[in-house]
Amino acid sequence: DAGVTQSPTHLIKTRGQHVTLRCSPISGHKSVSWYQQVLGQGPQFIFQYYEKEERGRGNFPDRFSARQFPNYSSELNVNALLLGDSALYLCASSRYSGTGAAEAFFGQGTRLTVV
Amino acid sequence: DQQVKQNSPSLSVQEGRISILNCDYTNSMFDYFLWYKKYPAEGPTFLISISSIKDKNEDGRFTVFLNKSAKHLSLHIVPSQPGDSAVYFCAASASQGGSEKLVFGKGTKLTVNP
Repeated sequence: DAGVTQSPTHLIKTRGQHVTLRCSPISGHKSVSWYQQVLGQGPQFIFQYYEKEERGRGNFPDRFSARQFPNYSSELNVNALLLGDSALYLCASSRYSGTGAAEAFFGQGTRLTVV
Repeated sequence: DQQVKQNSPSLSVQEGRISILNCDYTNSMFDYFLWYKKYPAEGPTFLISISSIKDKNEDGRFTVFLNKSAKHLSLHIVPSQPGDSAVYFCAASASQGGSEKLVFGKGTKLTVNP
């Protein structure tokens, strides 16, 4: 079975531009979460979507948005990019049922560089 | 305010010996804990988890211990192998929060020397 797949793997954008990152979850997983990891830190939670509804939002500005599609894939959008948005963006999927936690499985990430 | 702390940035052990990675947390609402391993240029790989109703969970060479009163958990790897060399992240979640938000520590870089 395929794991969590993310695209693209690397991306270079200019300040002020917009970016869309994509994620396909493991087959059978209905929950997708997004994390940002900067160098030397652990991943930081951005969003969780379950059954196409937002279930959680981290402490990120409104420039960050996401959505989940009927096939459970997801997009993370970031507007008006800043240099500080340069990071590894990780997508995770799980069998989360709406109650309690479940093991999250991560993709390889998208390395975003803002110049 | 870091709710999950891994106070050792690095750890070096000899092949065949035990590796012990430690993690402390401050939020008493956390009730589910996970360990992930991360190699460079890859996403984190799930290793093992433990619910707050347990104090130990074992999976092959990996054992996680949870001390709720001390708000402390540890990951034991026995025996350690060179392929275990990676960054290990501790993560926690609070099921009552309604989401699956994981709060991560900063990680501990484990080096297993042959």
